[in-house]
Amino acid sequence: GESVGLHLPTLSVQEGDNSIINCAYSNSASDYFIWYKQESGKGPQFIIDIRSNMDKRQGQRVTVLLNKTVKHLSLQIAATQPGDSAVYFCAESIGGATNKLIFGTGTLLAVQP
Amino acid sequence: NAGVMQNPRHLVRRRGQEARLRCSPMKGHSHVYWYRQLPEEGLKFMVYLQKENIIDESGMPKERFSAEFPKEGPSILRIQQVVRGDSAAYFCASSPPIRGAQGYNEQFFGPGTRLTVL
Repeated sequence: GESVGLHLPTLSVQEGDNSIINCAYSNSASDYFIWYKQESGKGPQFIIDIRSNMDKRQGQRVTVLLNKTVKHLSLQIAATQPGDSAVYFCAESIGGATNKLIFGTGTLLAVQP
Repeated sequence: NAGVMQNPRHLVRRRGQEARLRCSPMKGHSHVYWYRQLPEEGLKFMVYLQKENIIDESGMPKERFSAEFPKEGPSILRIQQVVRGDSAAYFCASSPPIRGAQGYNEQFFGPGTRLTVL
């Protein structure tokens, strides 16, 4: 069935280092991918998205890479800060009439000062 | 512009009672989505609604759960005869109308309602 999963449940990094969070997806029909950040007790917050016709997209301090050949998605955070500590989810969608998101299980990013 | 609002933020019910969760979408948004999140898990899609219509309820349990998004007022997720397994965080998201057959619009999430069933 459809699924989105993450390789690393917990990632611990030093402040100032770069972070890489990985995600695998299995639905080849998915054409839209999103990374969300969720802090404790809050709802998911949009970080960055990418469509299937792209393989890289950059935002402020974040980059998303998409490898459709191996169905892999990654989020890179440059110069990680303590405020980046949260759970990060990747999500996929096939868009169109059914706009539902399929979420992965999440990776906890812990930034050490 | 206020974000997605959900209330109550915390809800405690005893087994067998009813739970009503409310969601007010962002201004100008006519699409609402409900997701459920169990502890240390990702969000699971439940239902997708537009005003007065259910578009996709493939993630809704067949019994005890229902959702509506009336012409006026918030969207309501209703859980009848709650059981302990219903304890979870329920998130609502909203988006503007989707453009095109292959279009996608960002979903903005509310803060969630944490339901505890005793």
